[in-house]
Amino acid sequence: EIVLTQSPGTLSLSPGERATLSCKASQTISSTYLAWYQQKPGQAPRLLIYAASSRATAIPDRFSGGGSGTDFTLTISRLEREDFAVYYCQHYGRSPLTFGGGTKVEIK
Amino acid sequence: QVQLVQSGAEVKKPGASVKVSCKASGYTFTSFDFSWVRQTPGQGLEWMGYVRAQNGNTEYAQKFQGRVTMTTDTSTNTAYMELRSLKTDDTAVYYCARIKYQLLLDYWGQGTLVTVSS
Repeated sequence: EIVLTQSPGTLSLSPGERATLSCKASQTISSTYLAWYQQKPGQAPRLLIYAASSRATAIPDRFSGGGSGTDFTLTISRLEREDFAVYYCQHYGRSPLTFGGGTKVEIK
Repeated sequence: QVQLVQSGAEVKKPGASVKVSCKASGYTFTSFDFSWVRQTPGQGLEWMGYVRAQNGNTEYAQKFQGRVTMTTDTSTNTAYMELRSLKTDDTAVYYCARIKYQLLLDYWGQGTLVTVSS
């Protein structure tokens, strides 16, 4: 099973700032199978990024993903108020599907 | 537009069973499979398994094998997840999600809170 470790646990930033979130895998994974989700309180997760760097439908271009091997990042270029949420990385492609523990992006 | 609408909140006693439904609309039901994921405060997001919409074939996470059954009903475009022998630490929000491909989850239901308490 691939374990995903996200850091930091919480990121305190102001609107307009840049956010960089990290996801480290316990073993090398194909970038084809790394996704990012956004979750707001009381809502289901929403797919943001798949295949490490491809934006899902209707996701604004201030969200970008990158990385390879064991190290992946999600970058939000300029935070807007609606971006303050919890973000999860996910490994897919084979079972068991696994998620990271999440990074909370909060308003400073 | 794709929608997955889940059944309402449940309260169960330890040892009981719960069955959560997930009604799909906005696409051809048999073209996409379903996964179930639960979320607890302590464990985060936890994958439970998946069910193939067309033929009902399943694969379950090892942790839930023997206790979970996932099915689909193509006549009503609905997926189901039944969890048996409930324990208090099964208290969680249970989500269904559509599998875009290879376990990538592109659309999620709104979640169903299952509370297990004596």
